[in-house]
Amino acid sequence: AQSVTQLGSHVSVSEGALVLLRCNYSSSVPPYLFWYVQYPNQGLQLLLKYTSAATLVKGINGFEAEFKKSETSFHLTKPSAHMSDAAEYFCAVSPLTGGSYIPTFGRGTSLIVHP
Amino acid sequence: NAGVTQTPKFQVLKTGQSMTLQCAQDMNHEYMSWYRQDPGMGLRLIHYSVGAGITDQGEVPNGYNVSRSTTEDFPLRLLSAAPSQTSVYFCASRKRLGGTDTQYFGPGTRLTVL
Repeated sequence: AQSVTQLGSHVSVSEGALVLLRCNYSSSVPPYLFWYVQYPNQGLQLLLKYTSAATLVKGINGFEAEFKKSETSFHLTKPSAHMSDAAEYFCAVSPLTGGSYIPTFGRGTSLIVHP
Repeated sequence: NAGVTQTPKFQVLKTGQSMTLQCAQDMNHEYMSWYRQDPGMGLRLIHYSVGAGITDQGEVPNGYNVSRSTTEDFPLRLLSAAPSQTSVYFCASRKRLGGTDTQYFGPGTRLTVL
């Protein structure tokens, strides 16, 4: 069975500061991993995804994430936070092979950006 | 492409009423799913479909029915609404169930059950 854990339901940063949102996965085989963003009163949209081609993945809006198999992690980072980054962020996992192919979502992390 | 569309955007029901939440996609995606989003609970899968005529239960299926008669449409039916079903409902689709395909989400339906 697969699962994802997002550490911290809320993360607060100042504008211009580093953003770090944590995601750890549990899967019997290394999975595909995704980060989605949800702006207020909207649906989720894809930020970036890991598909085993490269461990450092760059996404939209200056975000990137690094897949670390040894740590079973896929943390999301951005060097400098902007007010427009305030949103809910979801990590998701989808297995490569075997078992259920249904994507599993984490509980989400709310990013708060202070001026 | 319109992507994934959902109607209505908002709905208020009384306990015991039934209704159907509509979802449609125009991307010819095989896989469609319904989630509910509650504070602190993230997204929980209600039902999903891997193609026309094929549906299956997710994590929280009780009180909901689905059907998939066409590739495009995947309506969610609330049989007898309860206050516990107050939530935001999202429909999503992706080209296939497995693999690296991106999941596309609709804008959501905000449901209140009194």
